[in-house]
Amino acid sequence: QTVVTQEPSLTVSPGGTVTLTCASSTGAVTSDHHPNWFQQKPGQAPRALIYSTNNKHSWTPARFSGSLLGDKAALTLSAVQPEDEAEYYCFLYYGGAQLNYVFGAGTQVTVL
Amino acid sequence: EVQLVESGGALVQTGGSLRLSCAVSGFPFSSHWLTWVRQAPGKGLEWVANISPDGSRKYFMDSVKGRFTISRDNARNSLYLQMNSLRVEDTAIYYCTRDVAYGYLDSWGQGTLVTVSS
Repeated sequence: QTVVTQEPSLTVSPGGTVTLTCASSTGAVTSDHHPNWFQQKPGQAPRALIYSTNNKHSWTPARFSGSLLGDKAALTLSAVQPEDEAEYYCFLYYGGAQLNYVFGAGTQVTVL
Repeated sequence: EVQLVESGGALVQTGGSLRLSCAVSGFPFSSHWLTWVRQAPGKGLEWVANISPDGSRKYFMDSVKGRFTISRDNARNSLYLQMNSLRVEDTAIYYCTRDVAYGYLDSWGQGTLVTVSS
């Protein structure tokens, strides 16, 4: 069973920078996994932030950026704002005959 | 405006069945993959199943294969999830989403709660 691993929690100061990572149990995360990132705040449905590694949705603030960092996907939050406090989920595509997708367990980002 | 509205969630006993629906508007329904994602109380997101635009291709997470079926009615702009042999671990909010490409789930419904009780 494929497992996607994220940091359980990270804390960042307002105005600071934090990087979340996303690893795959099958090996290096590449652009072929089309890494997606979602943000979820309490009581709300998730919403898309980043797709296919580094592409932003229309509502994604410029301070959010996606990349590949070594053998992982990464989401960097720069100039963090209090409203960025949320759960962030990585989501990877695993193609092939049994098309499937796997979410990471999520990273809780606290702005303190 | 893109809208996805789920319905059909309920309290059901283990072994029971439930059919979730998702009414969609605001985009060409028959052009897009659609996906069900679930979230158990206090837990993370899980990809459950998806279906191709014409309904010919369907994929499921391992733990629901053989129990859940996904379907769509392109004439009614509706997506469905038939859930049989329900287990306690199927308890979750079920979200209907649009998949633009390769997991880019750009639009989500508000979710419908399924509770499976023993």
